Amino acid sequence: EDQVTQSPEALRLQEGESSSLNCSYTVSGLRGLFWYRQDPGKGPEFLFTLYSAGEEKEKERLKATLTKKESFLHITAPKPEDSATYLCAVQAGGSQGNLIFGKGTKLSVKP
Amino acid sequence: DGGITQSPKYLFRKEGQNVTLSCEQNLNHDAMYWYRQDPGQGLRLIYYSQIVNDFQKGDIAEGYSVSREKKESFPLTVTSAQKNPTAFYLCASSELHYNEQFFGPGTRLTVL
Repeated sequence: EDQVTQSPEALRLQEGESSSLNCSYTVSGLRGLFWYRQDPGKGPEFLFTLYSAGEEKEKERLKATLTKKESFLHITAPKPEDSATYLCAVQAGGSQGNLIFGKGTKLSVKP
Repeated sequence: DGGITQSPKYLFRKEGQNVTLSCEQNLNHDAMYWYRQDPGQGLRLIYYSQIVNDFQKGDIAEGYSVSREKKESFPLTVTSAQKNPTAFYLCASSELHYNEQFFGPGTRLTVL
C-alpha cells in the first residue's frame, strides 16, 4: 500500500536554528514528490517538486532533497515567518497517479 | 491575477440539507480536484476531473457529487448522505493530471 509518513509531527525552533523535516514514503514507482506550505485556515502553497533520487531544489531558506525512500526539507536560519505546517505528497506512476499526502509537520519558529 | 477562487469561505449547513461549494480557476488548467482536510489527517481526495465533462471518484467520494461542464469550474455538492461533512474543503488544479497542483483558499463547512 502506498504510504507517506512525516516526522516530527511538530517542531519548535529558535530563530536562526537550522533543522530538517522528514518525509518517508513507500510507493510503487515514484513519479514525483511534492512539498507544500500551509498557513492556518489557508490552502496549501506549492513549494517544490522532486522527481528522482539525488535531486535538490532550493528556495530562499528552504532546500528539498530526495532519496529512494525519503525526502528532507532543510530549513536554514529560519525566521518567525517560516512558521507553518509543511506538507509532503507523493505521486505514484500508473494510470491513476493521485497524490498521497502525509499528515504534515507543524513548524514554530520563535524570535 | 491568475489563480483559484473558492466560495464561500465559511458555510453552515443544517442536517438533511445539500450544499454546493464553488471552485473557479483562470489558470487554463485541464485538471481539477476536490480534497477534504480534517484535523490530524492528511488531505484526502474526494473527486477529480482531468477534462471537461469527465470526472472520477477519489478515495472518499461517498456522499459527494461533482460536475465539470466548463473548464474553469468544478463545483462540489455535499449531499445529506454524507454522514460527517464538517471539514475544511480544498479545491486544486493542475495543468495536466501529473503536474504539480495549486490550491484555492478553502471553504470551511460546519454542520449545525
